[in-house]
Amino acid sequence: KAGVTQTPRYLIKTRGQQVTLSCSPISGHRSVSWYQQTPGQGLQFLFEYFSETQRNKGNFPGRFSGRQFSNSRSEMNVSTLELGDSALYLCASSLGAVGVYNEQFFGPGTRLTVL
Amino acid sequence: AQTVTQSQPEMSVQEAETVTLSCTYDTSESDYYLFWYKQPPSRQMILVIRQEAYKQQNATENRFSVNFQKAAKSFSLKISDSQLGDAAMYFCAYRIPLLDSNYQLIWGAGTKLIIKP
Repeated sequence: KAGVTQTPRYLIKTRGQQVTLSCSPISGHRSVSWYQQTPGQGLQFLFEYFSETQRNKGNFPGRFSGRQFSNSRSEMNVSTLELGDSALYLCASSLGAVGVYNEQFFGPGTRLTVL
Repeated sequence: AQTVTQSQPEMSVQEAETVTLSCTYDTSESDYYLFWYKQPPSRQMILVIRQEAYKQQNATENRFSVNFQKAAKSFSLKISDSQLGDAAMYFCAYRIPLLDSNYQLIWGAGTKLIIKP
């Protein structure tokens, strides 16, 4: 079974631009969560989608948005990029909604650099 | 605020020896779950071990075991017989309940584990 895939793996943008990241979950998984990872900060939760609906949202500005399609693939969009948005963006999928009995499987991440 | 603290930014251990990574958390909940995740240099995060707070027995997965001290809100990870493949960032995470049966993971900042051959 293929794992979680994220595209692109690397991205370089300039301030003010917008970016869209894509995540394809493991086949059959209906939940997709997005995290921002920066050195020294660990993982910061962005949002979780389950069956095309946003279930949870972290404490990020409205410039960060996401959506999930009927095939469970998810996209994350960041508008008006700032230097501080440079990070590794991780996507994780699980069979059901996030919980202890629904283990999250992570993708390799997309490294976003904002110049 | 719910927090997870990993006080060791970096740890090193000789191959085949034992190392313990520390994690403390802050919660007012009585029933919760704790996790250790491993992120090797290839960046794919994987679950190492999980612990339910209502279980007194410490979780064990092969060479990985935890020392769960509920009163002290401590959740350390012990790696026995360290192997070169154990080199990675290790993250401690705590699951908090939200409204409507939703949950969210709160993550520590991570500990970089170096294995010396």
